[in-house]
Amino acid sequence: SQQGEEDPQALSIQEGENATMNCSYKTSINNLQWYRQNSGRGLVHLILIRSNEREKHSGRLRVTLDTSKKSSSLLITASRAADTASYFCATDSSNTGKLIFGQGTTLQVKP
Amino acid sequence: EPEVTQTPSHQVTQMGQEVILRCVPISNHLYFYWYRQILGQKVEFLVSFYNNEISEKSEIFDDQFSVERPDGSNFTLKIRSTKLEDSAMYFCASTKERQETQYFGPGTRLLVL
Repeated sequence: SQQGEEDPQALSIQEGENATMNCSYKTSINNLQWYRQNSGRGLVHLILIRSNEREKHSGRLRVTLDTSKKSSSLLITASRAADTASYFCATDSSNTGKLIFGQGTTLQVKP
Repeated sequence: EPEVTQTPSHQVTQMGQEVILRCVPISNHLYFYWYRQILGQKVEFLVSFYNNEISEKSEIFDDQFSVERPDGSNFTLKIRSTKLEDSAMYFCASTKERQETQYFGPGTRLLVL
């Protein structure tokens, strides 16, 4: 499998519920970044978590990182229809800042 | 809030033609990147650029591709002779320092016919 794999591939929930997406990776990292992409649009940066950090929060978003398991999770609490998008994790393992993206999780939040 | 901009938003070209995709990174950023996303697939790294030279490139970034920072603001990706498989969304990104948040532009959707 490849660096930065998310699961599930697709997630459908009701508005108000929490959504959890997971990302696994293979090599050691400098940091891991989560992005959101609305259909056919650009990538919006959500959170960066460094290899020496375990948890970060931003509004309704909570990201955890477990370097021993080489995994990260993104939790969106109290989801809204506007959260409907694809979510990608991207790992930075190089000296140049190159990001390796996963396949993404497609989240649908039903009103 | 400063943002990365890209032009054009859409480009249609014939196979074999040259295209130049343009990006204006955030003004005080020093590291620049190009990525691409083929429809329905994941985002793939193409090239990183710092101090007026390529710092890393992927296998995709072959001799048909080149990058340039012709002045203090623009960052361009040139594809010399486009192929059908070059059809994709191309994203430019920039960051102030390595291993920091990369800010992406809205992308250029390239269609090669």
